[in-house]
Amino acid sequence: DAKTTQPNSMESNEEEPVHLPCNHSTISGTDYIHWYRQLPSQGPEYVIHGLTSNVNNRMASLAIAEDRKSSTLILHRATLRDAAVYYCILRDANRDDKIIFGKGTRLHILP
Amino acid sequence: EPEVTQTPSHQVTQMGQEVILRCVPISNHLYFYWYRQILGQKVEFLVSFYNNEISEKSEIFDDQFSVERPDGSNFTLKIRSTKLEDSAMYFCASSGGQGRAKLFFGSGTQLSVL
Repeated sequence: DAKTTQPNSMESNEEEPVHLPCNHSTISGTDYIHWYRQLPSQGPEYVIHGLTSNVNNRMASLAIAEDRKSSTLILHRATLRDAAVYYCILRDANRDDKIIFGKGTRLHILP
Repeated sequence: EPEVTQTPSHQVTQMGQEVILRCVPISNHLYFYWYRQILGQKVEFLVSFYNNEISEKSEIFDDQFSVERPDGSNFTLKIRSTKLEDSAMYFCASSGGQGRAKLFFGSGTQLSVL
């Protein structure tokens, strides 16, 4: 799996937007960018994924740089429930790839 | 939304005993996975399973581990002779396809080896 780099931790205030960055400078043309999160004492949970274009769903938005070497997960209005570890993961579109989790970014939400 | 179900939620066993962790993946999924997470550490890949055979396994998945899909609905992880270092949270996951398909994870089985 291609490598991703994320900050170890971030803090945000409740009800404010959060931008979680991810660098993936060695991404290949067939790699999808996936984001998962792990809430305390729970299994990982899918958040969003994209290939080239920005993506929106009910949980978050994914902004992908034009050269695809970085991406940003955007939580538009953070709640206390969004406190979790967020993982940015590359997954080859053409392979039955396992997902490899890095250390992710631990997001703290301040009330 | 459909769910991956894991049982039991907690399992305590003595060192050297065999344990079987059970998972019911989402019904129309074809790809199955086991992961583990030792307390305070990252989630580690153990094995992936497709078309009734192991498609990939990590170094952790040695001869003490085996997986099975015995009846078309369950997916099990067996640890033949547990060690203290096998104590971890074990997560099952399933997926409906390759690359862009998302993985659905269960809530895990906490295995404690005494």
